[in-house]
Amino acid sequence: AQSVAQPEDQVNVAEGNPLTVKCTYSVSGNPYLFWYVQYPNRGLQFLLKYITGDNLVKGSYGFEAEFNKSQTSFHLKKPSALVSDSALYFCAVVNYGGATNKLIFGTGTLLAVQP
Amino acid sequence: DAGITQSPRHKVTETGTPVTLRCHQTENHRYMYWYRQDPGHGLRLIHYSYGVKDTDKGEVSDGYSVSRSKTEDFLLTLESATSSQTSVYFCAISERLAGADNEQFFGPGTRLTVL
Repeated sequence: AQSVAQPEDQVNVAEGNPLTVKCTYSVSGNPYLFWYVQYPNRGLQFLLKYITGDNLVKGSYGFEAEFNKSQTSFHLKKPSALVSDSALYFCAVVNYGGATNKLIFGTGTLLAVQP
Repeated sequence: DAGITQSPRHKVTETGTPVTLRCHQTENHRYMYWYRQDPGHGLRLIHYSYGVKDTDKGEVSDGYSVSRSKTEDFLLTLESATSSQTSVYFCAISERLAGADNEQFFGPGTRLTVL
């Protein structure tokens, strides 16, 4: 079965510094990977996805993610963090099962950006 | 949260009472999902629907039932609420089954407390 792991419950970074939120995956077959963000008291919002091709994927709000097949990782990155980036971030992978494909989510990483 | 509403947004109930949560969409998407979000677990799929009157179980379906009599509405019922069902519940929709080219869009959530 497909799965993702987010090894850090929380990441702290100063505003203006680069940020990385880690995600590793375990899949059989081609990995289809997603990042979602959840702001306080809101639902999840799609940030970006990896399907195939270029290992660097660009998404919303200046975020990007790097797919690394040898390390089975899909880390979320941003060159310069903003206080408004503070939120809960989820990595997800598609779990294929014929007619029952589903998204499997990681446990989430809380990003705190200090001014 | 565009095109997806959940009601109620907050509910406090007592153990043993039935509870129904409603998800309403205006996007005419075929697939609808119910997740619960708990600290340390991320989002876990409860049930999903792949069309009117077509539903299937997710990974944490015990104690929950669903119904979908119209494309736009997906109801989640707790037949006899327990304290372990205290959680934040999210509805999501998608045009197509989870896959490479498919994002899910989430509602604002319902915070349910079972005393």
